[in-house]
Amino acid sequence: QKEVEQDPGPLSVPEGAIVSLNCTYSNSAFQYFMWYRQYSRKGPELLMYTYSSGNKEDGRFTAQVDKSSKYISLFIRDSQPSDSATYLCAMSDENTSGSRLTFGEGTQLTVNP
Amino acid sequence: GAVVSQHPSRVICKSGTSVKIECRSLDFQATTMFWYRQFPKQSLMLMATSNEGSKATYEQGVEKDKFLINHASLTLSTLTVTSAHPEDSSFYICSFQKGGNQPQHFGDGTRLSIL
Repeated sequence: QKEVEQDPGPLSVPEGAIVSLNCTYSNSAFQYFMWYRQYSRKGPELLMYTYSSGNKEDGRFTAQVDKSSKYISLFIRDSQPSDSATYLCAMSDENTSGSRLTFGEGTQLTVNP
Repeated sequence: GAVVSQHPSRVICKSGTSVKIECRSLDFQATTMFWYRQFPKQSLMLMATSNEGSKATYEQGVEKDKFLINHASLTLSTLTVTSAHPEDSSFYICSFQKGGNQPQHFGDGTRLSIL
């Protein structure tokens, strides 16, 4: 079993839709949780960075962490065609203090105009 | 967000050539750098981790003599793929970490194609 499981997609939604992206994990030591967006032929771009459980909002993006369920989510409101990309969840444990990320496989999202 | 510059973005060369990829942090000093490779439709695979002035730590299965990493300063790291072969063709991505408890910031990657 992989340490981090991510809904593989692909996911196709109409413009303006609310998008929900999810990851589950098995390592209870994970404390730092990240969401990256990767456009085709580009490096990952950091979208959200959270520590432990809770919610964090930044513009149209909301990250949720539920450590009791070992489940994290990224919500995108009012999705735009420019949001079309692959979204990667990533996490690390306290011991490595943000180093050595464990990634999900990525979810490919297409937002149709 | 943090700016990481990676060059070149695309390399096409003959088998047996050595290729050097450069990664610079433009707006912060990094304690740790990472090199990844990524195959199509797959996630990132960590190749090695390096701290400034120290030897890189390679992941299992990554040949250190094949993939030479030089972490020259707090803002510069290079990856040299020595005597590259077609199976080394991949997308190579670097990242910097500013310090403990900080997220990694990635370069835009280098697409390496060995003919």
